[in-house]
Amino acid sequence: GIQVEQSPPDLILQEGANSTLRCNFSDSVNNLQWFHQNPWGQLINLFYIPSGTKQNGRLSATTVATERYSLLYISSSQTTDSGVYFCAVGTTDSWGKLQFGAGTQVVVTP
Amino acid sequence: DGGITQSPKYLFRKEGQNVTLSCEQNLNHDAMYWYRQDPGQGLRLIYYSQIVNDFQKGDIAEGYSVSREKKESFPLTVTSAQKNPTAFYLCASSLRLAGSGNEQFFGPGTRLTVL
Repeated sequence: GIQVEQSPPDLILQEGANSTLRCNFSDSVNNLQWFHQNPWGQLINLFYIPSGTKQNGRLSATTVATERYSLLYISSSQTTDSGVYFCAVGTTDSWGKLQFGAGTQVVVTP
Repeated sequence: DGGITQSPKYLFRKEGQNVTLSCEQNLNHDAMYWYRQDPGQGLRLIYYSQIVNDFQKGDIAEGYSVSREKKESFPLTVTSAQKNPTAFYLCASSLRLAGSGNEQFFGPGTRLTVL
């Protein structure tokens, strides 16, 4: 099956800093989603981005499908950005199944 | 308010008991999914369903069972055959299983602890 690797595994930021999270995947995808898991476990949809670039406030994401990677940018980080960020991908033959990466644990300090 | 609800939020079970986790959605989505998350790890797919009365095994279906009698509901039973049932269980849904409209949305989860 498809392999998903996220980097870095851990990230400590000072409030106001910018950061980039990376997701590499091993096959063509028809679904790529970025999630933020808050301390209570809720998975919050950030982006549905199998290709292209999207922005939502301080967050933006880019997926280069031909090179099999996606990037999530966090600008002017806030303490509420703390949590685990997951990348998950789906392929045409996986019938809706999302394969999750191991996540990036982000801690934003005041 | 449209969304996905899961109940209960916390569940404690004795070894050897079956337990059923509830998942309901009012998004009019066709597809529904159950995932399991262990501490410090990503999610793994247990079962998924494309339409009513149809469901398929995911990567880790052993020791679990599901039903899909209504479009809105996709309950998961954790049976006594599941060797390590203590985990965080998340239900998800999407408009369709594949193609456009396959973005998945998640419920708040159920934390199951086996004593």
